[in-house]
Amino acid sequence: DTGVSQDPRHKITKRGQNVTFRCDPISEHNRLYWYRQTLGQGPEFLTYFQNEAQLEKSRLLSDRFSAERPKGSFSTLEIQRTEQGDSAMYLCASSLTGDTEAFFGQGTRLTVV
Amino acid sequence: KQEVTQIPAALSVPEGENLVLNCSFTDSAIYNLQWFRQDPGKGLTSLLLIQSSQREQTSGRLNASLDKSSGRSTLYIAASQPGDSATYLCAVRDSGGSNYKLTFGKGTLLTVNP
Repeated sequence: DTGVSQDPRHKITKRGQNVTFRCDPISEHNRLYWYRQTLGQGPEFLTYFQNEAQLEKSRLLSDRFSAERPKGSFSTLEIQRTEQGDSAMYLCASSLTGDTEAFFGQGTRLTVV
Repeated sequence: KQEVTQIPAALSVPEGENLVLNCSFTDSAIYNLQWFRQDPGKGLTSLLLIQSSQREQTSGRLNASLDKSSGRSTLYIAASQPGDSATYLCAVRDSGGSNYKLTFGKGTLLTVNP
């Protein structure tokens, strides 16, 4: 499978715990994006990487959130001290260049109880 | 700030009917517009990408048009099938800035009844 891969697909965690998600983009894509989607809404931009450089973070990304993309390959999104409001689908996307077609993964569904 | 609106929010049609989904955006300075399909609990599947210089794109039974100056796009689905039932999302990529992020509408939930 050469598409965007996300792991895990589902995560249930207790409030206050830390969680980490992984995204493996399409191999030749140097742009990688994280989005968050809540029920009934479209995805909202969280952060963007060009190769290993994190170039922009949304105001939605509080200081409890951190993302990395070591060596410009896979990316991780960590949420510290999770809150119930963090419950959402976290989507990863990649594209070859800034203005070419974006491909999304299957997402990670986070439930904070 | 770019805003994307999709109308209608939900649509139910009998199998075989042709249908049109609408998308409007407030800032016409875009690189391109992309239509996606999302099945319940799943990720997004790219359907069509229209560059700002293009008027339309076709893929099988799908045809997407773009009128950048008026800030509108339509997705036309011919001869709908129950398997087309899903949420359809429209997203624009702004030309301002350098991050090329997508701004999404809330989607249209399509149900095709057998």
